[in-house]
Amino acid sequence: AQSVTQLDSHVSVSEGTPVLLRCNYSSSYSPSLFWYVQHPNKGLQLLLKYTSAATLVKGINGFEAEFKKSETSFHLTKPSAHMSDAAEYFCVVYTGRRALTFGSGTRLQVQP
Amino acid sequence: GAVVSQHPSRVICKSGTSVKIECRSLDFQATTMFWYRQFPKQSLMLMATSNEGSKATYEQGVEKDKFLINHASLTLSTLTVTSAHPEDSSFYICSAYTGDYGYTFGSGTRLTVV
Repeated sequence: AQSVTQLDSHVSVSEGTPVLLRCNYSSSYSPSLFWYVQHPNKGLQLLLKYTSAATLVKGINGFEAEFKKSETSFHLTKPSAHMSDAAEYFCVVYTGRRALTFGSGTRLQVQP
Repeated sequence: GAVVSQHPSRVICKSGTSVKIECRSLDFQATTMFWYRQFPKQSLMLMATSNEGSKATYEQGVEKDKFLINHASLTLSTLTVTSAHPEDSSFYICSAYTGDYGYTFGSGTRLTVV
C-alpha cells in the first residue's frame, strides 16, 4: 500500500529565508507524488507533481521538490519564503484507481 | 483550467435533517469524482469514489446509507448527509479527476449540525 508521512506538523520561518517541508513515502513501486497547498477558506491548489519523469520537479510560486528513491523522500523547498506562502501543505500519493491519499499536513508559518 | 464548483460553501442544519452538497464540473466532463472529509486542523480523508452512472465505492468505515453519493451525470455529483448529527459536522470537499494524474478540487462545504 502507498502512504506518505509528513515529518513536521508545523514549520515556522522568517520571510526571505528558505523553506523545507519534509515528506517520506512508502510504496512497493515507483509512486506518483504531489504537493498541494490549502489556504484558509480556499480550495486545494496543486503546487507540483512527480510521475516518474525528472526527479527534480519545479512547481508554481518558486516551489520545487526532489524525488529521492534512496531516501524515500519527496521534500518541498523554496529558496525564499514570502508572507503569502503561509498555509497548510499536503504531501499526497497516488494510490491507484485514480485515488489519492493525503499526508497529515504541515502548517507553514512565515514571520515578518 | 478545469473548475469544480461546490455549493453550498456553508450550511447549518438541525440534528436529524438531511443536507445535500453539490459539485459541478463547469468546463469539462468528470467521469470520476471523489468526496473527502476534513476535520479541523487535520488531513483530508477519502470517503468515497464515484464514477458516472455507477454506484459509489465507499472507503472502509464510511456508512454508505448515511452519506449518499449520486453521480448521475458527467457534470454533477452530489453528497447527501442523511439524518445528520453533530458528529457529522465537518468540512466536506469534492474533487474531480481531469486525466493524466490531474485533479481539481471544490472549495469545500462547512457543515455544522446543531
